[in-house]
Amino acid sequence: DIQMTQSPSSLSASVGDRVTITCRASQSISSYLNWYQQKPGTAPKLLIYAVSTLRTGVPSRFSGSGSGTDFSLTISGLQPEDFATYYCHQSYTTPVAFGGGTKIEFK
Amino acid sequence: QLQESGPGLVKPSGTLSLTCAVSGDSISSSNWWSWVRQPPGKGLEWIGEIYHSGNANYNPSLKSRITMSVDNSKNQFSLNVRSMTVADTAVYYCASGVPAAGTVVYFWGQGILVTVSS
Repeated sequence: DIQMTQSPSSLSASVGDRVTITCRASQSISSYLNWYQQKPGTAPKLLIYAVSTLRTGVPSRFSGSGSGTDFSLTISGLQPEDFATYYCHQSYTTPVAFGGGTKIEFK
Repeated sequence: QLQESGPGLVKPSGTLSLTCAVSGDSISSSNWWSWVRQPPGKGLEWIGEIYHSGNANYNPSLKSRITMSVDNSKNQFSLNVRSMTVADTAVYYCASGVPAAGTVVYFWGQGILVTVSS
């Protein structure tokens, strides 16, 4: 089974900061990597798919990169609505796996 | 849109039965119909997925206790989890796994909190 390791598990940041979250797969997953944002009490929402393609309507301050086993999500210019938990997700093979999540909190 | 339904409370050793009603899409489309759960304060755990043909893939850690099914006539799919324990307390989400740019992305229902307690 493929394991997805996200880091950090949490971070403190301020509005306007640039933050980067990393996700490492235990084996190559090609470009089958997606990112979701989850706010308390709500279901996750798709942000980025296939490593770097922004879902329609997602602000351009979000970006994704990587390939193989190492991936990252960057938010350039954190906004108040971005304080949430982010999960990476591999759909390369079953069992599907999610990273453990990264919670972005106010500094 | 996806909408989960089922009991919010299950007794230990009991069976959980959840249904996900699909609207705005056909259960016979090319999507994989999936279940994901999230224990309170924790991360996401994939339970499994089923295709409209009935072909299913399950999480090995849960495989012995779960069954998924699809009802094409009602445009819905279901999850059964047997021998529930306190550790199965979680928000259960149904999701549609949609092929996109070579990957598969999830669109989620609102989730249903299931508590296991006597």
